[in-house]
Parts: sequence; structure tokens; C-alpha cells
Amino acid sequence: DAKTTQPNSMESNEEEPVHLPCNHSTISGTDYIHWYRQLPSQGPEYVIHGLTSNVNNRMASLAIAEDRKSSTLILHRATLRDAAVYYCIPHGRGAQKLVFGQGTRLTINP
Amino acid sequence: GAVVSQHPSRVICKSGTSVKIECRSLDFQATTMFWYRQFPKQSLMLMATSNEGSKATYEQGVEKDKFLINHASLTLSTLTVTSAHPEDSSFYICSASSTANQPQHFGDGTRLSIL
Repeated sequence: DAKTTQPNSMESNEEEPVHLPCNHSTISGTDYIHWYRQLPSQGPEYVIHGLTSNVNNRMASLAIAEDRKSSTLILHRATLRDAAVYYCIPHGRGAQKLVFGQGTRLTINP
Repeated sequence: GAVVSQHPSRVICKSGTSVKIECRSLDFQATTMFWYRQFPKQSLMLMATSNEGSKATYEQGVEKDKFLINHASLTLSTLTVTSAHPEDSSFYICSASSTANQPQHFGDGTRLSIL
């Protein structure tokens, strides 16, 4: 499994953009980059995933470096409900199990 | 969207009791489900992969006789913590996806407290 490095914690203010970085320098060429988040006392929820191109959905955007050794999850306008632990997970096509690292604990200030 | 339901959400019981946790995929079939355990301030640790109609695959260090997994249908997997002790107190979470290339959907977890 590819190793990931994420900041232990980050802090931002409500209604401001948040950029959550992830390094995955040992990612294989066929691994997708998945992001999940876990709100307090809940199971994780899927946020977004991508392979090479940048991706957008209603929750966030995912910017993937050209060499695929890093990616950034972008929350365009953070709300208090975005306070969670965010996990970046390389995931092989067809592979099913997810291996969680320590993630980044995001705090949003009102 | 796809939903995974986990029950019960919380269990408090005495040491030596066996506890069963259910994980259901509500609107899709899942040939594979996953069971995780999460201790306070830590990340999720995969315990086992539950395979419909066959034996579960356990991660290294997880006792298969302690954590019994049954996946009798395409929408239900159960995890039974046998003869639970205080060190088994944890947050247990299941997940499933409709196909191998789809995102995982997680249950809301079961907080198990053994007195």
C-alpha cells in the first residue's frame, strides 16, 4: 500500500477556502486518489476521487499534481459542518479495502 | 444515494458477554463488506473483509475466533465480539460498495463499551 503524509491538523475560518495537502510519493501508476472525511462520532464519508485530472463535485475539488506524487483537496467555502478528519487514500482500481492513515484534523473557526 | 446501516449504534455490557453488530446495505447488494475498529484519537484499522457466502479474511493480528464474521446474504454482514472484555471497547465501523470501483459507503459505527 502506498504511504501518505498529511498534516496532523489544520485550522481555517468559516466561509474561507481550505486547501488540504497530501503527499503520496509511492503511489502506483494505476492507483486512484480517494478522499474521505470523518465527522465526530460518525463513520467516514466519501468526498472525492481522481486519477490524473483535477476533479470537481458538489462537496469539493481535487487538484492532482502532474507527477501524481501529491494532491490537494479544496473546500471552496468552509462551513462549521466541514470540521472533520480528512483522509487521503491511494486506492487501486478493482481493489476494495481502504487503508486509512492518520489524516488531517480540520478545525473551522466561526 | 447508497446507504449502509449499522445496528446498534451503542452497546454497554458486562465483561464476558458476546455482542453482535449488524451491517446492512440498504439499496444495493454487496458481495464484500469491511469491518474496522477505531480507538479514541486514532485512525480506522481494518479488521477483516467479509465475503458473502465464504469465510472472512482477517488482517494480521485480529483473532478470528474472537471476532466472528458472518455474511449470509448480499445485504447483511454481522460481526460478533465473543466473550468481550474491557480492552475490546472501541468504535466498530462497517463499510460496503456496490462494485469494486465505486466509493465505499460507511455505517455510522457502533460504540462498544465493556464494563
